[in-house]
Amino acid sequence: KAGVTQTPRYLIKTRGQQVTLSCSPISGHRSVSWYQQTPGQGLQFLFEYFSETQRNKGNFPGRFSGRQFSNSRSEMNVSTLELGDSALYLCASSFSPHNAYEQYFGPGTRLTVT
Amino acid sequence: AQTVTQSQPEMSVQEAETVTLSCTYDTSESDYYLFWYKQPPSRQMILVIRQEAYKQQNATENRFSVNFQKAAKSFSLKISDSQLGDAAMYFCAYTGANSKLTFGKGITLSVRP
Repeated sequence: KAGVTQTPRYLIKTRGQQVTLSCSPISGHRSVSWYQQTPGQGLQFLFEYFSETQRNKGNFPGRFSGRQFSNSRSEMNVSTLELGDSALYLCASSFSPHNAYEQYFGPGTRLTVT
Repeated sequence: AQTVTQSQPEMSVQEAETVTLSCTYDTSESDYYLFWYKQPPSRQMILVIRQEAYKQQNATENRFSVNFQKAAKSFSLKISDSQLGDAAMYFCAYTGANSKLTFGKGITLSVRP
């Protein structure tokens, strides 16, 4: 069974631009969570989607948004990029929020904002 | 809100020796899970071991075992017979009713040959 995939793996953007990251969960998994990892703040929860609905949202500005499609694939979007948005963005999938104890992570997307 | 604390930023262990990584957490929930994740230089997050709060028995996975002290809110990871491939960043994490993972700051483990 294929694991969680994230595209693109690396991305370089300029301040003020916007970016869209994609996450395809493990087949059969319907819950997708996103995390931001930076050297200063560590790993922080961004949001969780289940059945195309956002269940949880972390403490991030409105520039960060996401969505989930009917096939459970998820995208996150960051508008008006700032230098501080440079980070590794990880997504994780599980069967459902009730199976959060068994989340599998993708390889991450490394975003660099210049 | 739940918090996870890893107070040691880095540790070093001799190959074949045993090392213990510390973690404390704070929560008011009674039903939750605790985890140790490994993140090698590839940045892939790999689940090392998981502990259910209502299980008194400490979890074990081959060379990895935990010491779960629920009353003290302590959750340490013991790595026995350390190998060069164990060198990585290790994160302690928590999940409860809201299903999100809360991570500690992580600890960098180096293994000396």
